[in-house]
Amino acid sequence: GIQVEQSPPDLILQEGANSTLRCNFSDSVNNLQWFHQNPWGQLINLFYIPSGTKQNGRLSATTVATERYSLLYISSSQTTDSGVYFCADFTQGGSEKLVFGKGTKLTVNP
Amino acid sequence: NAGVMQNPRHLVRRRGQEARLRCSPMKGHSHVYWYRQLPEEGLKFMVYLQKENIIDESGMPKERFSAEFPKEGPSILRIQQVVRGDSAAYFCASSPRSGIDTEAFFGQGTRLTVV
Repeated sequence: GIQVEQSPPDLILQEGANSTLRCNFSDSVNNLQWFHQNPWGQLINLFYIPSGTKQNGRLSATTVATERYSLLYISSSQTTDSGVYFCADFTQGGSEKLVFGKGTKLTVNP
Repeated sequence: NAGVMQNPRHLVRRRGQEARLRCSPMKGHSHVYWYRQLPEEGLKFMVYLQKENIIDESGMPKERFSAEFPKEGPSILRIQQVVRGDSAAYFCASSPRSGIDTEAFFGQGTRLTVV
């Protein structure tokens, strides 16, 4: 099945800094999603982005399906951005299910 | 439009007891997925269900675990004779359909603690 690799595994920033998180896929990208798991454990949908670029406030994401990767950009980071960021994609063929990467743990310090 | 609802949010069980976790999908969603997250780890797929059907249970342990999604009512993940290793956060997701062009939404999770 599809393998999802995320980098970096950990990231520590000062408030106000920018960052880029990356997600690589071993197979073709189908239904790529980015999630933020906040310190209380809630999983929040950030982007549904099978291809192209989307922006939502200080966050934006780009998926290059032909090269099997996606990037999540966080600009002017805030302490509330802390948590774990996951990317996931639906497998294709047979039973479809979301396969997750191991996540990037982001800590934004004041 | 309410999101995916899971209950209880927290569940404490003694070893050997049964745990029942409930998931009500978003309105209009007929596909439900259960995931388990151990501390400091990612989400691992357990089971994928549609109404009255188990589509894929390849991620679910063969013993003690079962899942259902009846025609009426929430999806249930049932863990019999719980052990300490079952302590984890269990997340449910729903989607309106399967395949390409599908976005899944997650509930807030049930945190199971086995004492």
